[in-house]
Amino acid sequence: AQTVTQSQPEMSVQEAETVTLSCTYDTSESDYYLFWYKQPPSRQMILVIRQEAYKQQNATENRFSVNFQKAAKSFSLKISDSQLGDAAMYFCAYQSNFGNEKLTFGTGTRLTIIP
Amino acid sequence: NAGVTQTPKFQVLKTGQSMTLQCAQDMNHEYMSWYRQDPGMGLRLIHYSVGAGITDQGEVPNGYNVSRSTTEDFPLRLLSAAPSQTSVYFCASSGLTGETQYFGPGTRLLVL
Repeated sequence: AQTVTQSQPEMSVQEAETVTLSCTYDTSESDYYLFWYKQPPSRQMILVIRQEAYKQQNATENRFSVNFQKAAKSFSLKISDSQLGDAAMYFCAYQSNFGNEKLTFGTGTRLTIIP
Repeated sequence: NAGVTQTPKFQVLKTGQSMTLQCAQDMNHEYMSWYRQDPGMGLRLIHYSVGAGITDQGEVPNGYNVSRSTTEDFPLRLLSAAPSQTSVYFCASSGLTGETQYFGPGTRLLVL
């Protein structure tokens, strides 16, 4: 079974600065997807970014980018120019590409933005 | 598009009562799933369905039933509520593997 580990329960960053959230995973599969979801106080789960394991290029979405290290099974999220609206819980998630769409989540990192 | 909708938003139950959490999506997604979210534990999969008439168990299925009679709806039934089922429940749907899973707004359940 796959596992996802987020070792930072809480992080904080000054507004306009850059912060990196860590995620590691364990799998024996070679083809899979990785996701970062954001959960603000409203509780709504919002997709931030996705990465396909067979693509070497790191995904980017505006101020959000990932550092995907397949051999190390590491998938960190970098948030540049942090804004107050980035304050939320961030969850890393794994999805196999072998006929099963279920997501395996990490335990989350609570990000606080300091004005 | 309404996306994924869940009802109710909040519910209080007494131990032993039964109830159904409703989930519907209007995106014609084949895959639907139910997760529960507990403090410090992330989201854990309860049950999922890959199409009408097909359901399977996830990581924490005990005490819950599901059925999928239509593509749009995927209700979650609590047969006999227990305090351990106090949680926030999320329904999600998606198309093909790797596509974005869209989540509903969640149902907060308190079992006394």
